[in-house]
This record gives sequence, C-alpha cells and structure tokens, in this order.
Amino acid sequence: GAVVSQHPSWVICKSGTSVKIECRSLDFQATTMFWYRQFPKQSLMLMATSNEGSKATYEQGVEKDKFLINHASLTLSTLTVTSAHPEDSSFYICSARERLARFYEQYFGPGTRLTVT
Amino acid sequence: SQQGEEDPQALSIQEGENATMNCSYKTSINNLQWYRQNSGRGLVHLILIRSNEREKHSGRLRVTLDTSKKSSSLLITASRAADTASYFCATVQNAGGTSYGKLTFGQGTILTVHP
Repeated sequence: GAVVSQHPSWVICKSGTSVKIECRSLDFQATTMFWYRQFPKQSLMLMATSNEGSKATYEQGVEKDKFLINHASLTLSTLTVTSAHPEDSSFYICSARERLARFYEQYFGPGTRLTVT
Repeated sequence: SQQGEEDPQALSIQEGENATMNCSYKTSINNLQWYRQNSGRGLVHLILIRSNEREKHSGRLRVTLDTSKKSSSLLITASRAADTASYFCATVQNAGGTSYGKLTFGQGTILTVHP
C-alpha cells in the first residue's frame, strides 16, 4: 500500500512553455501533498505544501506565480511550471500524507526529471 | 533551509564492510527518518525513529538517536553492492516549530559499495 505515482517521469520542454506534473496517491487519500525540488547531487528542498481544497503554502523564496500548485482532490495534486527557463531544469518529487499519519509519514513519488532547453 | 548536516558527504567501502552515516539536526523533533535514493529515482523510506526511542533495527539497518546531542546515525551492516545509493536523514519538528509536520532533509551521504 501507500503508493504515489508521478506523471510524466521525464519531460523536455522549450524555454517559455509551461509544464504540468501530476502526483497521485493510488491507494489512500492524501489530505496533504508536498512538492520538492532536487538539483544534481543535492538534497531535497521543500517548495510547497498543499492541503486538499485549499491554497498551497509556499516556502520562502519559491515563486507562487511560477510554480502553480493545485490540490483539487484527495488523490491528485498538480505542479505547473509556468514560462519555464533552463534554470528550472531539475528533479521534482512529490510526496503525500494521509490524514491519520500518526508520525507525519510521507510517501514519495518516483520523481519527474524536467529539462528546459 | 536544511535542518542539519550529514557526514560523511561521501563514503566508499568494500562489500561486506559496515557503513556508518551520521546526521545532526538543530531543533526539537517529533521523529527522525532515514531514506535511500538510487540515482535519478525517488526516495525509499528505510526507518523511522521517534524522539523517545534510542535505537531501532530493521534487517541490516541499525539507527540510533541521541536527542541530547541532536544527532542520529545509520549503520548498514555487511554491505552489498546493491546498497550503493544516497542516504538522507529527515526530521519532523515538534508542534510549535515553524516547520511542524514537514520533513526537513539533511544534505545526504553518497555511499558506494564496491563488489
């Protein structure tokens, strides 16, 4: 159980275009989803936290107008990178947590590799 | 910002040897978790240790937690080539902290196990 999927697993786009990444909890209801960004050989940096049905909370330094997050249902959150630029190229990972996560456990998706040319 | 530090940043050992990775953190925590990440992949949860626990075992993994020193260690015994990966610790702060309920990751240790 507790499987999280991401789609697509990789995407290449041209500078200036927008890219949407989906994160789905397959066998549980995710009341909270998290989006992380990871540069090569670095750790995960939390970008934002989203709760189902409400606006996402962004970490300091993350542009909310550039990284649009929608958590419209208990099994789906989307991250849209708007007007992508080469510096947005990174590995994006989502995670999901269910309401009764006693120890705040999060389940991670496999990640999406974004390359902006 | 990252919660703390991990050391070493990179560790290279031979198969069969033990690997020890350390993690330090800065604030009061609810629990600490260790994750593994193979190159270009997502995270795999290894073990969770609560703030009132001092040691936990899972197969070849042994995790210790010293809340007085705000540090944890992950020991992998009898390592295998398949253990080659990056290992991250992550903490969940106690209620009242600015990052309450969120995972804050350490910098990670890159482990290479040579066959």
